[in-house]
Amino acid sequence: KNEVEQSPQNLTAQEGEFITINCSYSVGISALHWLQQHPGGGIVSLFMLSSGKKKHGRLIATINIQEKHSSLHITASHPRDSAVYICAVSRARDSNYQLIWGAGTKLIIKP
Amino acid sequence: ETGVTQSPTHLIKTRGQQVTLRCSSQSGHNTVSWYQQALGQGPQFIFQYYREEENGRGNFPPRFSGLQFPNYSSELNVNALELDDSALYLCASSRTRNSPLHFGNGTRLTVT
Repeated sequence: KNEVEQSPQNLTAQEGEFITINCSYSVGISALHWLQQHPGGGIVSLFMLSSGKKKHGRLIATINIQEKHSSLHITASHPRDSAVYICAVSRARDSNYQLIWGAGTKLIIKP
Repeated sequence: ETGVTQSPTHLIKTRGQQVTLRCSSQSGHNTVSWYQQALGQGPQFIFQYYREEENGRGNFPPRFSGLQFPNYSSELNVNALELDDSALYLCASSRTRNSPLHFGNGTRLTVT
């Protein structure tokens, strides 16, 4: 069993829909990261969180430490949101670089 | 802040050769890490550098080595290239070891 599990693996939705991507992990963590990777390869860090909820524009990330679960939400989705969304965690004893990565969720938003 | 830049963007090498990939971090970012991402897979941690010293290493052989310089740039060197080294190589930097990460766009290495 992977230490970081994401669901769904693939998600196709229509423009404007509310999107939720889930991440569960099985290790003690110091932080959880949500990252976005476009087809060109570059990775953008969206959120780093260790508790509660963070919001940036149309993106919202939540984490429940007790349940070891996090969600990434996209409101009013747009085709430019199409990308792979990756959940990664840094274990409690490690620094932020030694991340354990989820397999990613490939999101396609159709116009 | 300027972004994290990597060079070159693409590179083709022959098996057995050596390669140097470069990363220019944001000013003030004392920590840098390198990742290898094979096609269709998640990134694998290679190593991290903090203030010019290696400060953590993933499951990669010694032919993967690195350097970090005082001007916030760094290098990843790979000797004796193998076909399986073909991948996207990403560097990421941050202000401290526990700050948000800033990634470059990567160098796509093809070994033939």
